[in-house]
Amino acid sequence: DAKTTQPTSMDCAEGRAANLPCNHSTISGNEYVYWYRQIHSQGPQYIIHGLKNNETNEMASLIITEDRKSSTLILPHATLRDTAVYYCIVLGTDKLIFGTGTRLQVFP
Amino acid sequence: GAVVSQHPSWVICKSGTSVKIECRSLDFQATTMFWYRQFPKQSLMLMATSNEGSKATYEQGVEKDKFLINHASLTLSTLTVTSAHPEDSSFYICSAAELAGGYQETQYFGPGTRLLVL
Repeated sequence: DAKTTQPTSMDCAEGRAANLPCNHSTISGNEYVYWYRQIHSQGPQYIIHGLKNNETNEMASLIITEDRKSSTLILPHATLRDTAVYYCIVLGTDKLIFGTGTRLQVFP
Repeated sequence: GAVVSQHPSWVICKSGTSVKIECRSLDFQATTMFWYRQFPKQSLMLMATSNEGSKATYEQGVEKDKFLINHASLTLSTLTVTSAHPEDSSFYICSAAELAGGYQETQYFGPGTRLLVL
C-alpha cells in the first residue's frame, strides 16, 4: 500500500476553512484515498474517501489532484469540535495502515 | 447507520487474568473485522484481521496465542487477551467492514476499550 505524508500539526481559526494536505506520490491506480479523524480517547471516525474525482459529503470535501499524487481534505467551517488528529490513508488491500496523521487545533 | 460498538469501554484486571473484548456491528453485517491497539501518544497499530467463519490473520509480531480472536457471526467478533500483563495495557479498537459487490466497503470503528492491567 502506498505511503502518505502529512504535516504534523496545523492550526485553524473557528469558522474558517481548514485545508489539510496529504501527499501520496506512490499511489496505484486502484487505490482509494481515505480520511479518518480521531478525537482524543475515541475510536477513529470515517470522514470521506475518493478514487479520482473530488468528493463532498456533509462533513467535508476531498480534492484529489489530477495525477492523484496528493489530496486535500477541506472542512469548510471549522468548529472547536473538529480539533482532532486527521489521518490520510491509501487503501489498496483491505488493511488500513495508520500513519502519524495531522493534529488539527481549532482555536476560538 | 454504520455503527460499531465495543464492550466493555474500559476494564481493569489483575496480572495473569484473561480479558474478553466484544466488537459488534449494529446495523450491518461485517464480513471482515479488524483489531487495533494504540499506546499513548502513538498511532493505531493493526493487530489482526478476522473474516467471519475463518481463522484470524495476525500482523507480524502479534502473538496469536496471546490475543485470541473469534469471529463467529457476521455481527460479532471477540478479542481475548490471555494472561494479561501490565505491558498489555493499551487502548484496543475494533473496526468492521461489509463486503459488497466483491470488494470491501468502508471500515467503521468502535469507540475503543481501555485496558489497564495491574
